[in-house]
Amino acid sequence: SHVVTQAHSVSVAPGQTARITCGGDSIGNIAFHWFQQRPGQAPLLVISNNSDRPSGIPERFSGSNSGNTATLTISRVEAGDEADYYCQIWDAISDHRVFGGGTKLTVL
Amino acid sequence: VQLVESGGGVVQPGRSLRLSCAASGFTFSTSAMHWIRQAPGKGLEWVSLISYDGTNRDYADSVKGRFTISRDNSKKTLYLQVSSLSAEDTAMYYCATDREGGSFDFWGQGTLVTVSS
Repeated sequence: SHVVTQAHSVSVAPGQTARITCGGDSIGNIAFHWFQQRPGQAPLLVISNNSDRPSGIPERFSGSNSGNTATLTISRVEAGDEADYYCQIWDAISDHRVFGGGTKLTVL
Repeated sequence: VQLVESGGGVVQPGRSLRLSCAASGFTFSTSAMHWIRQAPGKGLEWVSLISYDGTNRDYADSVKGRFTISRDNSKKTLYLQVSSLSAEDTAMYYCATDREGGSFDFWGQGTLVTVSS
């Protein structure tokens, strides 16, 4: 099955832009989904299908996918954005879901 | 939408548990469902999937043969029978609704399973 990789951590100052990437081999046409998980809480879908923002998610959150790398971009970062972020894909052949290892976003 | 997991606890290695997920606020009988787990301080791991009518089920390789997913649409409840438990199965277990496109819409708050002698 596919393996997706994420950087362990990203740090950004308030008001700046955070970019969290997710990559892997042979995943060029696969859709990526992104989850935010604050400490002690269940994950929350923030981006689906590479760039769709579910209802209630601020416009500051956006996503893109180019080649073998997907990117979650958080503009005008706020203290409340500090969380773990996970990318996730669907392996259509096995019907399994696969998560990246997660990236801890620290707001300085 | 509300998903409420229960059934977790401390269990000895080799023993079994049945986890439950009570659903409300949506049409449970037409929704595929998942179990996802998270070991303490670790990342998310997809565990299992069941189709809306229970006819299709699938499992991560790490749990295949030991875990069984099922559902009772009349009770709007999802289950996960976890057996032959080891310390590596210690985790928060979340249930989640399936989202078109291969992701997850709504999550419960989880139930913690601790495998310890």
